[in-house]
Amino acid sequence: GQQLNQSPQSMFIQEGEDVSMNCTSSSIFNTWLWYKQDPGEGPVLLIALYKAGELTSNGRLTAQFGITRKDSFLNISASIPSDVGIYFCAGHGPNDMRFGAGTRLTVKP
Amino acid sequence: DSGVTQTPKHLITATGQRVTLRCSPRSGDLSVYWYQQSLDQGLQFLIQYYNGEERAKGNILERFSAQQFPDLHSELNLSSLELGDSALYFCASSGQGSQETQYFGPGTRLLVL
Repeated sequence: GQQLNQSPQSMFIQEGEDVSMNCTSSSIFNTWLWYKQDPGEGPVLLIALYKAGELTSNGRLTAQFGITRKDSFLNISASIPSDVGIYFCAGHGPNDMRFGAGTRLTVKP
Repeated sequence: DSGVTQTPKHLITATGQRVTLRCSPRSGDLSVYWYQQSLDQGLQFLIQYYNGEERAKGNILERFSAQQFPDLHSELNLSSLELGDSALYFCASSGQGSQETQYFGPGTRLLVL
């Protein structure tokens, strides 16, 4: 299916810096999800958002469901080396689920 | 551990061959989804089954087929394999509603030589 527009494609940051990534779509979604994937592993759910405008935190991670229902962002505060990986957004529409192409995060110690 | 299991973890085969990938969903989940992820690419949705019946179809080739059995485990069959079929194949499962969050298995890495 059609992919979501996820940006940036990649980020290189210093340990301790904050990170922000986002996803946009021309379609509205009922649910937004953020996953992290380590090399050779399956995606692991980080945060699920179920209502427009919802802001949810999971430790150093914060994500928001845009009020237009067409976008979402993920913030990571005070990054650490184990934050390295690929972060995917996913949107649940009425009939399908679509994924962003991923943001590859590199954290330099 | 997501509770979704996939076997085998690795598979090496030759072009023209046929393979079967297996997935067991989380306990109680009725939906199973199959995804393909090529090197450094995003996840491509292939197909979804719900309680034994096909629910949605994505970019699945005619050479590929899947089924979900009464015990809710699922198999993805890949036939007439080509070099370009080499990829990670993930299975995910979710609960009863169509909007339920998907939980992913560890994947099967397929290499076609």
